[in-house]
Amino acid sequence: KNQVEQSPQSLIILEGKNCTLQCNYTVSPFSNLRWYKQDTGRGPVSLTIMTFSENTKSNGRYTATLDADTKQSSLHITASQLSDSASYICVVTPNTGFQKLVFGTGTRLLVSP
Amino acid sequence: DSGVTQTPKHLITATGQRVTLRCSPRSGDLSVYWYQQSLDQGLQFLIQYYNGEERAKGNILERFSAQQFPDLHSELNLSSLELGDSALYFCASSVEEQGPGYNEQFFGPGTRLTVL
Repeated sequence: KNQVEQSPQSLIILEGKNCTLQCNYTVSPFSNLRWYKQDTGRGPVSLTIMTFSENTKSNGRYTATLDADTKQSSLHITASQLSDSASYICVVTPNTGFQKLVFGTGTRLLVSP
Repeated sequence: DSGVTQTPKHLITATGQRVTLRCSPRSGDLSVYWYQQSLDQGLQFLIQYYNGEERAKGNILERFSAQQFPDLHSELNLSSLELGDSALYFCASSVEEQGPGYNEQFFGPGTRLTVL
């Protein structure tokens, strides 16, 4: 069964610190992997998207890495800000076409002043 | 602001009732997707429309249906509502026809449905 598991489930860090969120998936083969940021009660916003052949992708203070061999991805947040407090969702697209997106349940990040 | 609008923002109704959620995609986007997000659960893909036609179905219950109109706005109809249908319902849009994994989707702010 295709699954995406994220860890930790929740995380509290101090403002200005770095953190890394993990995503392990069993989806294979896959087309791409995305990280979304979702503020409480709002729609997800895409941060990065990587195909299976890419190892890293950056978007400002957010850097995603992908290891297709171990089926792991990580999202690294540098110099965290209070506005980074949100849920971060890993989404994997199997290479099988429509409607097969597999969503992780997310990591809830709280950046504390 | 993603450019995708959803109405209403909140909806409270009783079990057994029927409701309609509305979504207007970004200007120029032909594909509309509907998602359900229950409390502390991940997003579940429900259905996709492209230029008025159904393109893909996910875990959508038979009590739920959707359509996309000629002006490209979409409606999600939920009937015979149950307590477990309480959730956030998101609409997303994208430019292309291909399924939800192949191009960037822009999400609306969601409709929070509470079934009492």
